[in-house]
Amino acid sequence: DVKVTQSSRYLVKRTGEKVFLECVQDMDHENMFWYRQDPGLGLRLIYFSYDVKMKEKGDIPEGYSVSREKKERFSLILESASTNQTSMYLCASKTGNYGYTFGSGTRLTVV
Amino acid sequence: AQSVTQPDIHITVSEGASLELRCNYSYGATPYLFWYVQSPGQGLQLLLKYFSGDTLVQGIKGFEAEFKRSQSSFNLRKPSVHWSDAAEYFCAVGVRGGKLIFGQGTELSVKP
Repeated sequence: DVKVTQSSRYLVKRTGEKVFLECVQDMDHENMFWYRQDPGLGLRLIYFSYDVKMKEKGDIPEGYSVSREKKERFSLILESASTNQTSMYLCASKTGNYGYTFGSGTRLTVV
Repeated sequence: AQSVTQPDIHITVSEGASLELRCNYSYGATPYLFWYVQSPGQGLQLLLKYFSGDTLVQGIKGFEAEFKRSQSSFNLRKPSVHWSDAAEYFCAVGVRGGKLIFGQGTELSVKP
């Protein structure tokens, strides 16, 4: 089975900190995604990547950046964390048309 | 614009009762449609998907969904709910580039 591993289950960070959320997949998938999940809003796409060093903005990229230096790892970066970025963050990788595998999520609290 | 609407934010059903979760989509082309389930503390698990063909789709855990093009709907059903079905359910449409657009989610509670 494909595994998508998010390094932290819970994170608490201070306003203004630079935050890294890490995601690793073990099946050589080219496509990886970062979603943000908020109650009543569902999942919204932040950034995605079709291959190493390639990235595209999703629907809500403001305040975020990403890095994909290796195929298996896709990092989400909050350059200067703010309280409105408190949320659940889900990483996913994809094979084929829509064969998504999701990680368990990182619940980030910014204080 | 591409979008997915799940009109019910929270539904409570009794164990053993039938269930229907509603999903409406807006997409210009033939849609690829999905239902995912998220148990507390877990990632999303695919329940079923519709790409083409038979409009009644069977999934895992006894769920099924029916695609109705005329109503732009893809409602999820289960004839008899179990307590372990309590979770959050997301409907999604696949759009160009292999991306998914999700609905707001429906939280299901099951009464004993």
